[in-house]
Amino acid sequence: EVQLVESGGAVVQPGGSLRLSCVASGLNFDDYSMHWVRQPPGKGLEWVGLISKKSDKRYYADSVRGRFTISRDNRRDSLYLQLNSLRREDTALYYCVKEGGNWNDFDYWGRGTLVTVSS
Amino acid sequence: QSALTQPASVSGSPGQSITISCTGSNNDIGSYDLVSWYQQHPGKVPKMIIYEVTKRPSGVSNRFSGSKSANTASLTISGLQAEDEATYYCCSYVDPTKVIFGGGTEVTV
Repeated sequence: EVQLVESGGAVVQPGGSLRLSCVASGLNFDDYSMHWVRQPPGKGLEWVGLISKKSDKRYYADSVRGRFTISRDNRRDSLYLQLNSLRREDTALYYCVKEGGNWNDFDYWGRGTLVTVSS
Repeated sequence: QSALTQPASVSGSPGQSITISCTGSNNDIGSYDLVSWYQQHPGKVPKMIIYEVTKRPSGVSNRFSGSKSANTASLTISGLQAEDEATYYCCSYVDPTKVIFGGGTEVTV
C-alpha cells in the first residue's frame, strides 16, 4: 500500500522559513515524479510545483517561484519543500502527492501538514 | 490564468444525474486531453476519480464519467447518492509547464 507522510508544518512569522518533509513507502519512489499541492483553510486546491524522478527538472507555480524549492532524496524515499520569505497567503495544508503518469494525475496523496504564517 | 472556472455549487436529488462544468482556455483544456477530476469529502484527502478526460482509476464507480468539448470539460455523476456529497475539483495541464485546478464545486444531494 502506498503511503505518503508529511511533516514539518508549524506556525511561522511572515518572512520566515520552513522545511517540509514527506516520506514515501509502498512504491519504488525513484520511478515517479512528485508534486506538492496546497489548500488554504476552507479554500480550494493550488498546485505548488513538481520535481522529476532524477531531480533534473523542477517547475513551480508563479505564486511561489523564487521563494520555494522542491528537492528529493531517492535513497531515503523522501521529498522536501523549502519555504522561504513566507507570506500570510502561504498559510495552507501542504500535501505531498505522487504523479500517476501525467502531470495532473495525482493518484496518491498524503494527509498533509499545516503551515500557518502569522505574527 | 488564476484557476479553471467551475460553478460554486450544484445540487440534485437521489437517483438523478448532475453535470459539473470546468472552463479553461486554449492553453490548457483546449489543447490537451489532460483533464483530471478530484473528489474531496469534508476533512478528507482529495481522491482522483477521472484522469485523461474520460478514464476512471480502478475502484472508482462507473457512475462518474468525464468528457470535454473545446475549452470546457465536464464531470457527470449519474444515479446520485448521498455519499456523493463532496467538493469536486477539475485539474488540467497548462502550457508550457504548469498545473491548474478549478475553484471547486460543492455537490449537495
